[in-house]
Amino acid sequence: EVQLVESGGGLVQPGGSLRLSCAASGFTFSNYWMHWVRQAPGKGLVWVSRINSDETVINYADSVRGRFTISRDNAKNTLYLQMNSLRAEDTAVYYCARITVTRDDAFDIWGQGTMVTVSS
Amino acid sequence: DIQMTQSPSSVSASVGDRVTITCRASQVISSWLAWYQQRPGKAPKLLIYGASSLQNGVPSRFSGSGSGTDFTLTITSLQPEDFATYYCQQSNSFPPTFGQGTKVQIK
Repeated sequence: EVQLVESGGGLVQPGGSLRLSCAASGFTFSNYWMHWVRQAPGKGLVWVSRINSDETVINYADSVRGRFTISRDNAKNTLYLQMNSLRAEDTAVYYCARITVTRDDAFDIWGQGTMVTVSS
Repeated sequence: DIQMTQSPSSVSASVGDRVTITCRASQVISSWLAWYQQRPGKAPKLLIYGASSLQNGVPSRFSGSGSGTDFTLTITSLQPEDFATYYCQQSNSFPPTFGQGTKVQIK
């Protein structure tokens, strides 16, 4: 079964750090671009970051650039998001998602999400 | 960034109804448009890609149309499991952007 499973969320104080992980299975992880998308409570979906298969292309939303770092370990089939200097406005469910060129770059596989709460 | 605007923001409908949701892009995006369904507490699920192509396993009561800047998602004969929030998303240009969502509620 093709699957993405996130972990690492939790409660953190403003200014703190968290590292999210996204474990992939059921497909050749190293062949795919991977993204992080977040959703604040009661709000819509917002793109956060992307990484290509060999980490030569990495991009961030303006709101997280300089604070978040995306990376991947193809040997471990795992995507990461290191989040530093967290702010209250980073509170959200964070989803990892795969895009597929045969689906016109749509997000065809999503993880179940991991909740990040930034609060004192 | 390309702005995606959905309408309506919410719609009340009954089982068996036909529902149409509209998505408008702030720039021409050809057919680089996807639709997702999100049930409460769950991850989004891809329904439609390329504006009109049905994702594997998605019931045929879902259909998409449009190109350029104006797109529609139609659900014919609404089923109980279809009550959810629907999002459009463009993949024509970076960064990918989503509409604000349309909540389909039970009348």
